[in-house]
Amino acid sequence: AQSVAQPEDQVNVAEGNPLTVKCTYSVSGNPYLFWYVQYPNRGLQFLLKYITGDNLVKGSYGFEAEFNKSQTSFHLKKPSALVSDSALYFCAVRGAGSARQLTFGSGTQLTVLP
Amino acid sequence: GAVVSQHPSWVICKSGTSVKIECRSLDFQATTMFWYRQFPKQSLMLMATSNEGSKATYEQGVEKDKFLINHASLTLSTLTVTSAHPEDSSFYICSATGQQDTGELFFGEGSRLTVL
Repeated sequence: AQSVAQPEDQVNVAEGNPLTVKCTYSVSGNPYLFWYVQYPNRGLQFLLKYITGDNLVKGSYGFEAEFNKSQTSFHLKKPSALVSDSALYFCAVRGAGSARQLTFGSGTQLTVLP
Repeated sequence: GAVVSQHPSWVICKSGTSVKIECRSLDFQATTMFWYRQFPKQSLMLMATSNEGSKATYEQGVEKDKFLINHASLTLSTLTVTSAHPEDSSFYICSATGQQDTGELFFGEGSRLTVL
């Protein structure tokens, strides 16, 4: 079985400061890892993914994430947070070659304070 | 990225009625579609997986007679909530993937169902 843990329900950061949203995963075989963002009453917007290749993945809106196989982590980062980054962030995983549905973490509410 | 359209965005209905939500892939052929349910401030829970032309596979605990899923074409899947009750009120999100496994799912904008 595959699973995702987002240990923080809420992350607060001041505008302009770096932000990190944590994610760890468990999956059989090689993982496909994703980050999505959700604004109120909206669907999920894709930020970035790791399938293979470089461990540091760059995505939309200045976000990046680093795949760490030994720590089974895929933390989302941004060097300088914006108030408009405030939203609900989901990490998701599936195993390579496995069924295509994603398993989502519980979500982390990011609030960027002006 | 590929576009998935969901309709309606909002729907309010009376208890006992049925509601249909459509999920369309606009610029690709969706061989597989997934239906998720999301409660306020919670994660997405997979309800069912549908492959074009075959019966949907439901997750444990999801009533197949309550949540009817049809995937009759490569661009359209529908979720019908039958005899809706207030506890069915939720945010329903569909996602789709094409024939080639790129690893990525494409999500609709979601449908907010409120049952009075």
